Amino acid sequence: AQSVTQLGSHVSVSEGALVLLRCNYSSSVPPYLFWYVQYPNQGLQLLLKYTSAATLVKGINGFEAEFKKSETSFHLTKPSAHMSDAAEYFCAVNKFSGGYNKLIFGAGTRLAVHP
Amino acid sequence: DAGVIQSPRHEVTEMGQEVTLRCKPISGHNSLFWYRQTMMRGLELLIYFNNNVPIDDSGMPEDRFSAKMPNASFSTLKIQPSEPRDSAVYFCASSKIHPGLAGAYNEQFFGPGTRLTVL
Repeated sequence: AQSVTQLGSHVSVSEGALVLLRCNYSSSVPPYLFWYVQYPNQGLQLLLKYTSAATLVKGINGFEAEFKKSETSFHLTKPSAHMSDAAEYFCAVNKFSGGYNKLIFGAGTRLAVHP
Repeated sequence: DAGVIQSPRHEVTEMGQEVTLRCKPISGHNSLFWYRQTMMRGLELLIYFNNNVPIDDSGMPEDRFSAKMPNASFSTLKIQPSEPRDSAVYFCASSKIHPGLAGAYNEQFFGPGTRLTVL
């Protein structure tokens, strides 16, 4: 069965500092992995996705994530945080069951960016 | 593309009333998902449809909740009767299947949500 675990429900960084949001996955098959971002009072927006091609995936707003099979991880990073990055971030894995696909989401990590 | 459209954006109702939430998926998408988000429980998948057919409704909390998808461009989530504990943000998402190196996957696009408050 597929699942994801996000380590740390809250992360706080200074503006300009490195952002690192952790996600570990569990999957019996090669996974498809996603990071979504949710800004206040908005829906979830796709940041980036891993679909078994390049292991380093670049997304919008300067974010990237690296798929590491040996560590079963898909951590999200950004070299320099901006105030506008304050949001909640969700890691998700595609689950294929009974011929159909759905996403399994992590609990989310709320990122705070302070001056 | 207008994206996933949900209405209303906000709904305030009294306990016992019927509530209907509406969703228009992105044209060409063949899967539709209803989620509920609360502080206590996070993001929960309630039900999803594939080609207008309900596939998995195991996340629907109780019989007071029902969902329909009469055609490819419209879905409703109904709560009857509503209760204060149903207060949450309800999201609709749609997707289409993409072929991948290790099988198909879906990439979901979310609507802006409906914030429901039951007094």
